[in-house]
Amino acid sequence: TQLLEQSPQFLSIQEGENLTVYCNSSSVFSSLQWYRQEPGEGPVLLVTVVTGGEVKKLKRLTFQFGDARKDSSLHITAAQPGDTGLYLCAGGTGGFKTIFGAGTRLFVKA
Amino acid sequence: DTAVSQTPKYLVTQMGNDKSIKCEQNLGHDTMYWYKQDSKKFLKIMFSYNNKELIINETVPNRFSPKSPDKAHLNLHINSLELGDSAVYFCASSLRGSGGLETQYFGPGTRLLVL
Repeated sequence: TQLLEQSPQFLSIQEGENLTVYCNSSSVFSSLQWYRQEPGEGPVLLVTVVTGGEVKKLKRLTFQFGDARKDSSLHITAAQPGDTGLYLCAGGTGGFKTIFGAGTRLFVKA
Repeated sequence: DTAVSQTPKYLVTQMGNDKSIKCEQNLGHDTMYWYKQDSKKFLKIMFSYNNKELIINETVPNRFSPKSPDKAHLNLHINSLELGDSAVYFCASSLRGSGGLETQYFGPGTRLLVL
């Protein structure tokens, strides 16, 4: 069974701080996606990475796919209250199925 | 225009009842999904349909029965509701269903509470 573990489970920081959240597995995934979910809403895709070692940037967010395609990280620079939410990583299995991690709940205090 | 819509948004019901949740997407996608998100926010796939054909059926009690009358609709019927069914149920769609490579567009969720 393919599993994705995310850490930390919960993170509370001050506005302006930097942070990194992690998504790890013992299995190889064909791709890795990051979604953000705000309270009362469905998840929204932030990025998809498909190549081992790939790095993608989205404004203050930097995403990296591990060389062996078993892990990924999300780094946020100078966090803002608007970054508050649940960050979910999701692994592609090569078929129709996507495996989701349990998420990291981020709270950025003003 | 809402891309993926679900009804109802909230559903409070008694144990043992039967209920349905409806989902519609106006994106022209071929694949639709049902996910269950528990109180710990773990999002787990339940079912997936591609062009009205069932392609993913995870280990879900047979009290849950999906139905896709056409590509744009995927409904979920739940018989004999149990306390453990309380969760948020999300419908999603994607263009072709290439898991992990395509964007999945999620609905706003249906919050089910079984008393």
